[in-house]
Amino acid sequence: KAGVTQTPRYLIKTRGQQVTLSCSPISGHRSVSWYQQTPGQGLQFLFEYFSETQRNKGNFPGRFSGRQFSNSRSEMNVSTLELGDSALYLCASSKDRVGTEAFFGQGTRLTVV
Amino acid sequence: GNSVTQMEGPVTLSEEAFLTINCTYTATGYPSLFWYVQYPGEGLQLLLKATKADDKGSNKGFEATYRKETTSFHLEKGSVQVSDSAVYFCGYNTNAGKSTFGDGTTLTVKP
Repeated sequence: KAGVTQTPRYLIKTRGQQVTLSCSPISGHRSVSWYQQTPGQGLQFLFEYFSETQRNKGNFPGRFSGRQFSNSRSEMNVSTLELGDSALYLCASSKDRVGTEAFFGQGTRLTVV
Repeated sequence: GNSVTQMEGPVTLSEEAFLTINCTYTATGYPSLFWYVQYPGEGLQLLLKATKADDKGSNKGFEATYRKETTSFHLEKGSVQVSDSAVYFCGYNTNAGKSTFGDGTTLTVKP
């Protein structure tokens, strides 16, 4: 079956702009999580959505938000972009059971200039 | 708090050398433990997992054993190849939908 699909793969934005990233999970997976990966900070958990509701949240400012649609597809939005937001944003989907692994997309590389 | 500590990289080995990447975790309860691998330009792929104490996960020659007493999940491979060059992440999951990862260890294998 198809894996996790993230679009776009690459994005260049200017400081102050906003951006929306998209993630389509594996069919049947209702949990979608978002992570930020940077060289200095590693993998940081942003938030997780399940059944269109944010269920878990990491320690990021309110400029980072997300949502999930009824078909489990998810979007992540970052407003008022800062240079430090440049990162690889990874989406992962999983079955809703503790202990099950997450399946990652290839990520969206965001560069803020 | 909850965390994962991985051996700092980068790690550089010659082909056919023995690999160990240490990983310890701090978590309540009995988490499931994972090793993921990330090749350049890609997302993370699950390498192996273990869901209870003393379980051994294995895949592609890599192994890791869930040690509850030492809260560790060290990754080993007896003979690495150039194609194993990648970043390796240790992580755990105690809460459906949220995983905690270490900072990643970069492995470079030279021919």
